[in-house]
Amino acid sequence: GAVVSQHPSRVICKSGTSVKIECRSLDFQATTMFWYRQFPKQSLMLMATSNEGSKATYEQGVEKDKFLINHASLTLSTLTVTSAHPEDSSFYICSASRSDTEAFFGQGTRLTVV
Amino acid sequence: GQNIDQPTEMTATEGAIVQINCTYQTSGFNGLFWYQQHAGEAPTFLSYNVLDGLEEKGRFSSFLSRSKGYSYLLLKELQMKDSASYLCAVMDSNYQLIWGAGTKLIIKP
Repeated sequence: GAVVSQHPSRVICKSGTSVKIECRSLDFQATTMFWYRQFPKQSLMLMATSNEGSKATYEQGVEKDKFLINHASLTLSTLTVTSAHPEDSSFYICSASRSDTEAFFGQGTRLTVV
Repeated sequence: GQNIDQPTEMTATEGAIVQINCTYQTSGFNGLFWYQQHAGEAPTFLSYNVLDGLEEKGRFSSFLSRSKGYSYLLLKELQMKDSASYLCAVMDSNYQLIWGAGTKLIIKP
């Protein structure tokens, strides 16, 4: 199957700093990438959808100024958590779609804000 | 609204068969996915159904009935490593994944 690489897998940062998470489709062109957040013991929550070359579409309740998403190429999307706070500590996962019918997930990034 | 329902928890015995059901109501349908998730890890893709019927892949099979808004994941010859959460997700008309809350499967010796 297609490979989606997410980096880093784990990150610890100080409160008030920013963290960037990368999502790369290694062997296919991803026209659409999705960013999810998982709260403990809950389902994945879609944060935003990004299409290459255009602004991301954020889900209701997600602060677009806090969670900056860039999808500059067909193989790379980034999520930057700005001015991180402890409540932003979570598991962030990206997925990439190479067609209208398939989505492949990255390994996930566990963010801990101290 | 959009809704995905699946049981919260199931228990089965090693070597046995278990069926995890998923019912959905979504705005449009572009396929149904099953994912396996071990604690602390990202979900791993198991199967994808877009047409009615049964898709078999080794010990795992997935069934879809679009008219009934229903799917199930069938796991055969259960192994202890199959203990995990199983997530049902539907891709809606906007190609976004709508996720169920997951079914925690506990395998006992």
